[in-house]
Amino acid sequence: AQKVTQAQTEISVVEKEDVTLDCVYETRDTTYYLFWYKQPPSGELVFLIRRNSFDEQNEISGRYSWNFQKSTSSFNFTITASQVVDSAVYFCALSEAGSGNTPLVFGKGTRLSVIA
Amino acid sequence: DTGVSQDPRHKITKRGQNVTFRCDPISEHNRLYWYRQTLGQGPEFLTYFQNEAQLEKSRLLSDRFSAERPKGSFSTLEIQRTEQGDSAMYLCASSLSPQETQYFGPGTRLLVL
Repeated sequence: AQKVTQAQTEISVVEKEDVTLDCVYETRDTTYYLFWYKQPPSGELVFLIRRNSFDEQNEISGRYSWNFQKSTSSFNFTITASQVVDSAVYFCALSEAGSGNTPLVFGKGTRLSVIA
Repeated sequence: DTGVSQDPRHKITKRGQNVTFRCDPISEHNRLYWYRQTLGQGPEFLTYFQNEAQLEKSRLLSDRFSAERPKGSFSTLEIQRTEQGDSAMYLCASSLSPQETQYFGPGTRLLVL
C-alpha cells in the first residue's frame, strides 16, 4: 500500500535560515512519481516539483532544492535563505504508475513559519 | 491559459441540505480528480474521471456523495443530506494525461451548520 509520512508537523525558522522538510514514502511499485505542493493561507495547492522513480538526480530551482534517495525512500525539500513568503503548508505526495497512475496520496503536511 | 476553477469558493449550509460544487479543469485536460481536505490533514482522494468516464468511485465517502462529468469538460460533486462531518475543503485537480502532473483549483470550503 502507498503511504507518505511527513514527520515534521510544524517548523519555525528565522528569515534567511535554511530549512529542510522531510518526506518518507512507501510503495510496492517500481515506477512511481513523487511531488511537492505548497499550500499558502489562501488554500490553493501550488505545484512545486515532480520526480519519477528512475531519476534520482537532485534538482535545484532558485532557492529550492530536492534530494531524492531511493535507498532510504526519502524525497526531502530544502529552502535556502528562507523568506516570509515561504510561510505555508508543504505537502509531499506519491502516485504509483503501475495501476494506470493512481491518484495522489498525500502526507499530512508540514507547516512552515518564517519569522522576519 | 487559465487554471482550474471551482465554484463556489465558500458554501455555508444547514445540516440535511443538498449541495453541489462545480469544477472547470484546464482546457484539454482529460483527467479530473476530486479530493477532500479536513483541517490539519493532507488532501484525501474521492473520485476521478478520464474524459466523461468515472474510473474510481469506491473512495467516495458514502452514498450521499456523487460526481459526474457529463461532457468530459466540467464536473460536479454533489453531497446529499449534508452532515456536520462533511465540513471540509473540496479540491479539484486536472491533468493532461494519467502520467502528467495534477494541477489544483482554489477549492470550495464547505461549512455545515
